[in-house]
Amino acid sequence: EVQLVESGGGLVQPGRSMKLSCAASGFTFSNYGMAWVRQAPTKGLEWVATISYDGSSTYYRDSVKGRFTISRDNAKSTLYLQMNSLRSEDTATYYCTRRALDYWGQGVMVTVSS
Amino acid sequence: DIVMTQGVLPNPVPSGESASITCRSSKSLVYKDGKTYLNWFLQRPGQSPQLLTYWMSTRASGVSDRFSGSGSGTYFTLKISRVRAEDAGVYYCQQVREYPWTFGGGTKLELK
Repeated sequence: EVQLVESGGGLVQPGRSMKLSCAASGFTFSNYGMAWVRQAPTKGLEWVATISYDGSSTYYRDSVKGRFTISRDNAKSTLYLQMNSLRSEDTATYYCTRRALDYWGQGVMVTVSS
Repeated sequence: DIVMTQGVLPNPVPSGESASITCRSSKSLVYKDGKTYLNWFLQRPGQSPQLLTYWMSTRASGVSDRFSGSGSGTYFTLKISRVRAEDAGVYYCQQVREYPWTFGGGTKLELK
């Protein structure tokens, strides 16, 4: 069974950093591109970033470019999202997904507030 | 960026009836391989989104054949036949034709 389990969320002050992790199981992680999608409270879905199966290619939405970094450790079957210079508008539930968006984690809440 | 615009449903929808959700893109989602890169998702209350269809009309694994996607290069429809209680939630269309991937604003389906 495919499982994606996010962790690392919580409350963080504006301007600070936070790193999210997503532990994958039930499939050969190193064969799949992965992505992060977020959802602000009571709002719709918003794509954040995508990484290729081997980490050689990454893509970001403009509003996080230069602040967020998507990465992966295929030996650990884990996806990461390093978030720097956080803003209040980054407050959202962050979902880890396979690149095909066919499997999603349960999401992890990130709240940026002083 | 490609803008995705979703229509509104005349809620609530009587159980057993059909419902059609529309989605329009600001640019054709047909890629040079001939596929149309349009996804549909359902997000039930309190749950993660679930992929329903991809490539505009291909149902995802395990998805009921009551869900069917159709459309052209810029206008799309998700039809739900014989609506059931478990179909309630917010439906999103999404384009993955090019980056940045973009979603529609969502269409809420409520059942009577």
